[in-house]
Amino acid sequence: GQQLNQSPQSMFIQEGEDVSMNCTSSSIFNTWLWYKQDPGEGPVLLIALYKAGELTSNGRLTAQFGITRKDSFLNISASIPSDVGIYFCAGQLRNSGNTPLVFGKGTRLSVIA
Amino acid sequence: GAGVSQSPRYKVAKRGQDVALRCDPISGHVSLFWYQQALGQGPEFLTYFQNEAQLDKSGLPSDRFFAERPEGSVSTLKIQRTQQEDSAVYLCASSLVPGSNYGYTFGSGTRLTVV
Repeated sequence: GQQLNQSPQSMFIQEGEDVSMNCTSSSIFNTWLWYKQDPGEGPVLLIALYKAGELTSNGRLTAQFGITRKDSFLNISASIPSDVGIYFCAGQLRNSGNTPLVFGKGTRLSVIA
Repeated sequence: GAGVSQSPRYKVAKRGQDVALRCDPISGHVSLFWYQQALGQGPEFLTYFQNEAQLDKSGLPSDRFFAERPEGSVSTLKIQRTQQEDSAVYLCASSLVPGSNYGYTFGSGTRLTVV
């Protein structure tokens, strides 16, 4: 099946530092989404990207849809303890909410106060 | 309800036992998805419903997996003759509008452990 390569697998950072993680694919995706999952909960949507080159912000989070449509990155600025969790990228092959999401394996973020 | 509700939250099954996992989507949501999340992995698609119609079941790993949504609201994922490799968190998600990426809300999942 489709594969998304997400890196890094895990990160340990100091509170206040900026964070960057990315996702690449061998396939072209029409939609890129970034989710955060807390322990024992389902993923929660952070940012959705729909056009190649699109740069979108949500508070301290910024994400970009790569020009080649095969990659995306997520930046978190001035990290705080509640940023701890697992971040997943997800892609959709077609611009339709009926199309299943393909998820990366996640980046586990730990923030040291 | 306010969110997607899944039950039970935890299920321990003996190998070979049948299990049924329930999903209550957000009221009025047309689209419903099931995903399987193994430990340390991202969710993987299992099946999709639009109202009561199962439009995509390409992700179901074997014929032991069966899902239904008979009245277009509550959905049940059934696994027959469970195996150890079925141990995972099973996530349900719903959305209001088919064809829209907005409002795609996940439940908290059911953690299935097969012993």
